[in-house]
Amino acid sequence: QKEVEQDPGPLSVPEGAIVSLNCTYSNSAFQYFMWYRQYSRKGPELLMYTYSSGNKEDGRFTAQVDKSSKYISLFIRDSQPSDSATYLCAMKKGGNEKLTFGTGTRLTIIP
Amino acid sequence: GAVVSQHPSRVICKSGTSVKIECRSLDFQATTMFWYRQFPKKSLMLMATSNEGSKATYEQGVEKDKFLINHASLTLSTLTVTSAHPEDSSFYICSARALAGYDEQYFGPGTRLTVT
Repeated sequence: QKEVEQDPGPLSVPEGAIVSLNCTYSNSAFQYFMWYRQYSRKGPELLMYTYSSGNKEDGRFTAQVDKSSKYISLFIRDSQPSDSATYLCAMKKGGNEKLTFGTGTRLTIIP
Repeated sequence: GAVVSQHPSRVICKSGTSVKIECRSLDFQATTMFWYRQFPKKSLMLMATSNEGSKATYEQGVEKDKFLINHASLTLSTLTVTSAHPEDSSFYICSARALAGYDEQYFGPGTRLTVT
């Protein structure tokens, strides 16, 4: 079993829709949770960074962490064509620098 | 914001040759740099962690004699793929972490290596 599971998609939604992206994980030691956006042939860009359980909002993006269910989500409101990219979840244990990534979900926003 | 560059952005080399990829932190000093490999539709796989002035720590299954990593300064790390083979063809991405205790990683744009 992989430590981090993420549906690779592809996921296509119309412009303006709410997008929900999710990851599950098996290691309860993970404390820090991140979402990265990666455009084609580019390096990942950090979108959201959360510690432990709870919600965090930044503009059109909301990250949720449910440690009891070992489940994290990223919501994108009012989706735009420019949001089309691969979204990777990542997580790490407290005090450990190593990031463990999901496979990434390829998202396309249809104008 | 923090910027990490990689050079070259893409390289094609022949089997048996070596190729060097540079990773630079442009506007901050990186105490730690990470090298990842990414296959199509696959996750980023951490290859090694390098700290300035010390030997890199390689992940299990990564051949240290094949993937030579040097972190000679606080702004530069290099990955050399020695005696490259077609199966080494991949997208290589570095990331850099600024100060000890500040744990955000900034990623470079990646280098596409094709071995013919």
